[in-house]
This record gives sequence, C-alpha cells and structure tokens, in this order.
Amino acid sequence: EADIYQTPRYLVIGTGKKITLECSQTMGHDKMYWYQQDPGMELHLIHYSYGVNSTEKGDLSSESTVSRIRTEHFPLTLESARPSHTSQYLCASSPPPPSSETQYFGPGTRLLVL
Amino acid sequence: AQSVTQLGSHVSVSEGALVLLRCNYSSSVPPYLFWYVQYPNQGLQLLLKYTSAATLVKGINGFEAEFKKSETSFHLTKPSAHMRDAAEYFCAGNFGNEKLTFGTGTRLTIIP
Repeated sequence: EADIYQTPRYLVIGTGKKITLECSQTMGHDKMYWYQQDPGMELHLIHYSYGVNSTEKGDLSSESTVSRIRTEHFPLTLESARPSHTSQYLCASSPPPPSSETQYFGPGTRLLVL
Repeated sequence: AQSVTQLGSHVSVSEGALVLLRCNYSSSVPPYLFWYVQYPNQGLQLLLKYTSAATLVKGINGFEAEFKKSETSFHLTKPSAHMRDAAEYFCAGNFGNEKLTFGTGTRLTIIP
C-alpha cells in the first residue's frame, strides 16, 4: 500500500479565496488522481496524472486545476472558491505494474466554502 | 459503456448476522473489481480486489467477494457482522482504461 497524505483535512473558507489542497505520496508512484465526493455520494474523477508534467481532466468537469512538478506531489488549486465547491476531495495513487490497476487513497480534505 | 451498480443504498443487519452487499458490473472487457470501505470523515480503504486469478477473493476484516462472470456480479459478504463494520462500502471497476468507475455506495448499519 501507499502512504498518501492530504492537507488540510478540513478547510472552511470564504467565497472568492484562492485555495490549494495538498496531496503527497512517499512511494514514488507515477499515477495520481483527484476525486470529488459529495456527502453520501459516489466518487467522481476530476483530474489525473501519469507522471511529472502530465495532467489530464477527469470525467467530471471541475473549475479546479492541478500541477505535477514533482512525482510525490499533486496539488489541486481553486483560484476563486465558491459555495458550489463545497465537497470532499480525495487523492489517490497507483503503483507500477503488476498492480497498476489498484488505487490507494488518502484521508481526504473536507472543504466548506461559505 | 462500462458501469458499476450497487443494489441497495442502505443495508441494516443485526450484529452477528450475515452481511451481503450487492454489486453488478457491465463491461465489454474483462474487469478488475474492487471493494473499498469508507469510515466517517476518512478516505477509502481497500478491502479486496479481483484481478482475474481466483474467483473467490478474501480481504481484510473477514470480508470476501466472489466474481461470477455469468451473473456479472461481485457481491461482498461477511459471515458475522461486527459493530465496527458500520461504514460506507463502495464497489469499483477498472475496465482497462486505468481509471476507476465507482458505484453509488452502500451504507451498512449494524443493529446491536
């Protein structure tokens, strides 16, 4: 399994603020993912990366952006937070083959935008 | 199109009773299938996974799941429920595109 860290765990912020959610993993995994999860709902992929300088949008459209300058870090940024961004954000990573189909998740960041 | 369907958004069982959480998939390619558990205010923890080896897969915390291709199912079971099993359970599939498709989740409640 991967050790995946997310900070902050909880964030309450006002509308219009810029925020960055941090995600880091210590296993050197190339593949990393961001999911959005509304309370009691399924997870939706919003961003993914297959390695340094690689980022792609996921299946759910999101106003957030991501960067992958270092293998271990995959931060997510919202330039101007809105109440509609209130959600839980989960970061995940996958090991190299032969287990690359498996994703391991961090503890999540619960975001509340007032 | 590939999809994962979980039947029953809420399941309640008595402590000590059998736990059965249902998951069906739709896929044109052989899938990898997963069960994850999510405790309140936490991320997802991998319970078990099917990767085309044995059809009966054993996971952590006494859970197991059986892959049945003829029924396109991957139901999760545990012989005897414990209070600590109360959580949200997600079935997910990887259908060859290196992404996970999740079901809508099943909230398991354990009745003392």
